[in-house]
Amino acid sequence: SQQGEEDPQALSIQEGENATMNCSYKTSINNLQWYRQNSGRGLVHLILIRSNEREKHSGRLRVTLDTSKKSSSLLITASRAADTASYFCATDALGGGADGLTFGKGTHLIIQP
Amino acid sequence: EAGVTQFPSHSVIEKGQTVTLRCDPISGHDNLYWYRRVMGKEIKFLLHFVKESKQDESGMPNNRFLAERTGGTYSTLKVQPAELEDSGVYFCASSQVRKETQYFGPGTRLLVL
Repeated sequence: SQQGEEDPQALSIQEGENATMNCSYKTSINNLQWYRQNSGRGLVHLILIRSNEREKHSGRLRVTLDTSKKSSSLLITASRAADTASYFCATDALGGGADGLTFGKGTHLIIQP
Repeated sequence: EAGVTQFPSHSVIEKGQTVTLRCDPISGHDNLYWYRRVMGKEIKFLLHFVKESKQDESGMPNNRFLAERTGGTYSTLKVQPAELEDSGVYFCASSQVRKETQYFGPGTRLLVL
């Protein structure tokens, strides 16, 4: 698997349900960020979680990070049609080297009305 | 506060031509990043500027790509000569502090025919 690989690749749920997406990565990280991309648009930053944090909330979003398993999850509660988008996790490698984020291919989330 | 802006939003050129993409970061952000996503692949890091200096250009695919950030404000990414495989979406991002949240622009969709 690749650094920052999301799972599942596609997810379709009913409006009002919760959506959970997972991300796995390979190397030690400084932080992990989740982004959303609506069709044909740019990336919108959702949340950043640092390597020393285990859980973070922002509105209807809940992110967890397990550095021992090199994995993260994004939970969207009470989903809405407007949440339909692709979701990406991106990791920032530990250390003073490269700052470039490493992305996975994303999870395409469809919220059925 | 204005976000990251990119110009043009779309560009269609023929193989062998030159294209220049522009990115204006969020005001005050010293860190500027270029990424691209070719069809079917994940978003890949190209390079990172700190002010006007190239901090890391390990992701630049080859010497047909030239990025500049004269004066440490906006940046340009020139592709010369363009090849078919250069088609994709080119994203720019900026951050105030290294290893912190990167804010992305809407991207430039480049199609090389």
